[in-house]
Amino acid sequence: DAGVIQSPRHEVTEMGQEVTLRCKPISGHDYLFWYRQTMMRGLELLIYFNNNVPIDDSGMPEDRFSAKMPNASFSTLKIQPSEPRDSAVYFCASRTGTGLYGYTFGSGTRLTVV
Amino acid sequence: KQEVTQIPAALSVPEGENLVLNCSFTDSAIYNLQWFRQDPGKGLTSLLLIQSSQREQTSGRLNASLDKSSGRSTLYIAASQPGDSATYLCAVLFNTDKLIFGTGTRLQVFP
Repeated sequence: DAGVIQSPRHEVTEMGQEVTLRCKPISGHDYLFWYRQTMMRGLELLIYFNNNVPIDDSGMPEDRFSAKMPNASFSTLKIQPSEPRDSAVYFCASRTGTGLYGYTFGSGTRLTVV
Repeated sequence: KQEVTQIPAALSVPEGENLVLNCSFTDSAIYNLQWFRQDPGKGLTSLLLIQSSQREQTSGRLNASLDKSSGRSTLYIAASQPGDSATYLCAVLFNTDKLIFGTGTRLQVFP
């Protein structure tokens, strides 16, 4: 398996623009997680899905953030409109079942909003 | 509130030293604990996974221990090398189904 695949690796956008981050989980993993990493706050859980259904979005910072998982092999995290304080590295992770075998993380998307 | 703390925040050691990184967590109701390595500008690489029923796990020069009752885990790195330089993250999967990360220990091993 190629692991968790995220795209793009880097994204630079202007304030106010819409940004879409993409994630392909490991095949067979039924949980998908979106994390954000900043110097100030470290790694924070934004939202997670189980069997494509959002379970907990309490970490989503504002209504400008939304996430979808239309099928078992694809998820998106959208920011509209983007702001400079959204600049961070966004990670996607997946796991199977109860987490017995741990989490696998993607390589992340480094977002810069100017 | 479930929290994970790592100390020290940064560590600089000469090559060849044995070292210990510490992780503490506030809730003993954990499912498992995972140690990750993160190189600058890179993603997270899983190093070791310890289930709540286990006391330790070993991989090469790495050994991780878990003491649930005291809310602590340690990552032991034997005979450190410059290639071990990275940030080490401790992450705890609490029974609430959320993986919570510590703030990491930034390790530098100099020749």
